[in-house]
Amino acid sequence: QKEVEQNSGPLSVPEGAIASLNCTYSDRGSQSFFWYRQYSGKSPELIMFIYSNGDKEDGRFTAQLNKASQYVSLLIRDSQPSDSATYLCAVNPSSGGYQKVTFGIGTKLQVIP
Amino acid sequence: DTEVTQTPKHLVMGMTNKKSLKCEQHMGHRAMYWYKQKAKKPPELMFVYSYEKLSINESVPSRFSPECPNSSLLNLHLHALQPEDSALYLCASSQGRLNTEAFFGQGTRLTVV
Repeated sequence: QKEVEQNSGPLSVPEGAIASLNCTYSDRGSQSFFWYRQYSGKSPELIMFIYSNGDKEDGRFTAQLNKASQYVSLLIRDSQPSDSATYLCAVNPSSGGYQKVTFGIGTKLQVIP
Repeated sequence: DTEVTQTPKHLVMGMTNKKSLKCEQHMGHRAMYWYKQKAKKPPELMFVYSYEKLSINESVPSRFSPECPNSSLLNLHLHALQPEDSALYLCASSQGRLNTEAFFGQGTRLTVV
């Protein structure tokens, strides 16, 4: 079983719709969770960071964490063509002062104008 | 300011060359990381420095040699690389405390010929 699982996609949504990206993880003791957006040929850009159960909202982005079910999701409201990218879920199992994150394979999102 | 600066942006080197990648951050972060990313794959952790000490070496071949001269700088020395080492090399930094996020630099695109 992979430590962090994501559907590689592509996930296609029409412009203006809600895109829902999902990620499951195997280490029940994982501490913090990240969503990075990566455009082709570029470096990952942090979009959301969550470590408490529940929802965290930042603009059009909402991260949802359910530690009991071991999943974290990212919702993108009012999707724009510029949101087309690969979204990497990263999980940090470490309880220490640095991260030893494991990345999922990433979900490719295509927003259709 | 969440900027991590990497130089150079692109590097082409022969298999007998010695080169270095550089990374700098001025956010006061105490943990710094090197990742390697191949096309269509997630980033793979190579090294972690925590408070200027090497904390993690993910069994990286000795032709890659990390160095942390001070809390703001991280180098990756390259020697006798192979063509399969061609990849995007990413530096990241974080505060070095539990439940904090890591920010990536723009990356160095390395080609070994």
